Amino acid sequence: RKEVEQDPGPFNVPEGATVAFNCTYSNSASQSFFWYRQDCRKEPKLLMSVYSSGNEDGRFTAQLNRASQYISLLIRDSKLSDSATYLCVGPRDKIIFGKGTRLHILP
Amino acid sequence: NAGVTQTPKFQVLKTGQSMTLQCAQDMNHEYMSWYRQDPGMGLRLIHYSVGAGITDQGEVPNGYNVSRSTTEDFPLRLLSAAPSQTSVYFCASSYSPGGNYGYTFGSGTRLTVV
Repeated sequence: RKEVEQDPGPFNVPEGATVAFNCTYSNSASQSFFWYRQDCRKEPKLLMSVYSSGNEDGRFTAQLNRASQYISLLIRDSKLSDSATYLCVGPRDKIIFGKGTRLHILP
Repeated sequence: NAGVTQTPKFQVLKTGQSMTLQCAQDMNHEYMSWYRQDPGMGLRLIHYSVGAGITDQGEVPNGYNVSRSTTEDFPLRLLSAAPSQTSVYFCASSYSPGGNYGYTFGSGTRLTVV
């Protein structure tokens, strides 16, 4: 079983809507996670870190649910420019990325 | 503030040729790694290094060699290029493996093997 798993999507969401997707993890000792954003044919870029207290940055909110072992990313008032693939990873010596969740914001 | 610099950005090789993809970072990061990404696929870890002089294999190391003689540089060598190595290669670095630090990626090298 992979350390983290995500629904690959795609999520097709109308502009202005709120969208949320989760990432489940298997290592209960993990205390911090990261969300990355990858645009088509570009490098992944760090979007947010996620700790037990959660994290909010503008329209983006990331939370960690230890009881159910998942992390979430919430995007409010979605924009066309939010269309991308979103990757979650947990901390370990060698980082293994999944395929991520593809998000399409529809006009 | 250059971050992670990869060269070249594009490369075409003939089957059997060898070459080195360069990766350099100026953030004094201890951890560096190489990934490949095929169309429609996720990132696959090739090799990684937790510090100068220390390297280890990732998920798909066959056909690739690495070395880490300095903190700044982490070159990836293709020993004898094959069409199956056609991919986009990303280098990444971080202050430390794991922990509470994210990873900074280079802009990638797009390699085609014909």
